[in-house]
Amino acid sequence: EDKVVQSPLSLVVHEGDTVTLNCSYEVTNFRSLLWYKQEKKAPTFLFMLTSSGIEKKSGRLSSILDKKELFSILNITATQTGDSAVYLCAVEVPLKAAGNKLTFGGGTRVLVKP
Amino acid sequence: DAGVTQSPTHLIKTRGQHVTLRCSPISGHKSVSWYQQVLGQGPQFIFQYYEKEERGRGNFPDRFSARQFPNYSSELNVNALLLGDSALYLCASSLEGEIGDTEAFFGQGTRLTVV
Repeated sequence: EDKVVQSPLSLVVHEGDTVTLNCSYEVTNFRSLLWYKQEKKAPTFLFMLTSSGIEKKSGRLSSILDKKELFSILNITATQTGDSAVYLCAVEVPLKAAGNKLTFGGGTRVLVKP
Repeated sequence: DAGVTQSPTHLIKTRGQHVTLRCSPISGHKSVSWYQQVLGQGPQFIFQYYEKEERGRGNFPDRFSARQFPNYSSELNVNALLLGDSALYLCASSLEGEIGDTEAFFGQGTRLTVV
């Protein structure tokens, strides 16, 4: 059975700190790994990773994938209170016939205190 | 361009009732996927539809069903509601059911509360 595990479950930091979130996976047929940010409603897309070792960056957020060790990290530097959210990691895996689905981890809840 | 739209945004139902949730994909997208997110957990895959055919189904009971219409919109139906069906129901659309080089576009979700 495909599995995605995120750690830590939650963390509390102060503004300006750096945060590193972990995502490990065991899936039969990997297509891509995605990171999402979720506040009160639906997840909003952050990154899609398909190749090992290539860092993706967007402002203070960055992410990298290691397909050999089957994990990804999401870094947030100079955190702000607006970064408080649940961060979800998902792995895209194929369905039996055609098409793909996302298998999600349980998320990491980040609270940034002023 | 309109994103994925879901309706209603919130609803409250009583145990044993039936509910229908609706999703309109991004224009041009032919595939719709449904996910259930229980409070405190990550989303779980329920169904994927492409060109009105079911392509995949997650580990959900037969009380859950869905269909896709010729305009590619979709309905998720849940019969005989249980308290445990209380969740945020998310719809995602994509061109052909493969995320490929683009992210999965989620709608804002329907928050279902069963009392």
